[in-house]
Amino acid sequence: DTAVSQTPKYLVTQMGNDKSIKCEQNLGHDTMYWYKQDSKKFLKIMFSYNNKELIINETVPNRFSPKSPDKAHLNLHINSLELGDSAVYFCASSLSGGGGRNEQFFGPGTRLTVL
Amino acid sequence: GDSVTQMEGPVTLSEEAFLTINCTYTATGYPSLFWYVQYPGEGLQLLLKATKADDKGSNKGFEATYRKETTSFHLEKGSVQVSDSAVYFCALSEVAAGNKLTFGGGTRVLVKP
Repeated sequence: DTAVSQTPKYLVTQMGNDKSIKCEQNLGHDTMYWYKQDSKKFLKIMFSYNNKELIINETVPNRFSPKSPDKAHLNLHINSLELGDSAVYFCASSLSGGGGRNEQFFGPGTRLTVL
Repeated sequence: GDSVTQMEGPVTLSEEAFLTINCTYTATGYPSLFWYVQYPGEGLQLLLKATKADDKGSNKGFEATYRKETTSFHLEKGSVQVSDSAVYFCALSEVAAGNKLTFGGGTRVLVKP
């Protein structure tokens, strides 16, 4: 049973295209996240949703638009892709509350390559 | 804002050697501290955590102690195996920051037979 799944695993596309990455979790969590890992392995939060409501929106270009149709899904749509968007994108989920002590469970990642 | 600093790698060790990865943090409140591990080609897995000062997290032979006085959470393992080769991330989360994880830069560990 996959806890946090992402599709696709690999995405290769041309500059200027629009693409989406999908994430689903079957853990019953109420909070989901998108993180970006760059080529130097540095990880940074992009967005967080709690019960379909946007909670965190870091300084991410507005070409990136997350959408959460329900608690179990968080998708990421990227418009007008740029070379600098090439990275691995990780989805994660957790339970809210717990004073920040709750573990986040990560998906396997989507490697995006923009040519 | 919050930040996490960990030693840069790569760290290359022989099997059964002692491993230490240093991690220090800056936070406005009282964060929870985590070590995540990323094996090649995979996502991140929680290795251990500690949620208050002097707590010790442990798992799979790894240990780390939450030291508030030195704002540190160093990871240690007494005898590493080849299967421990991975990238290790120190991270913190705070309620005031929406429980997002703030990560250090990661430390690549390579264990040779």
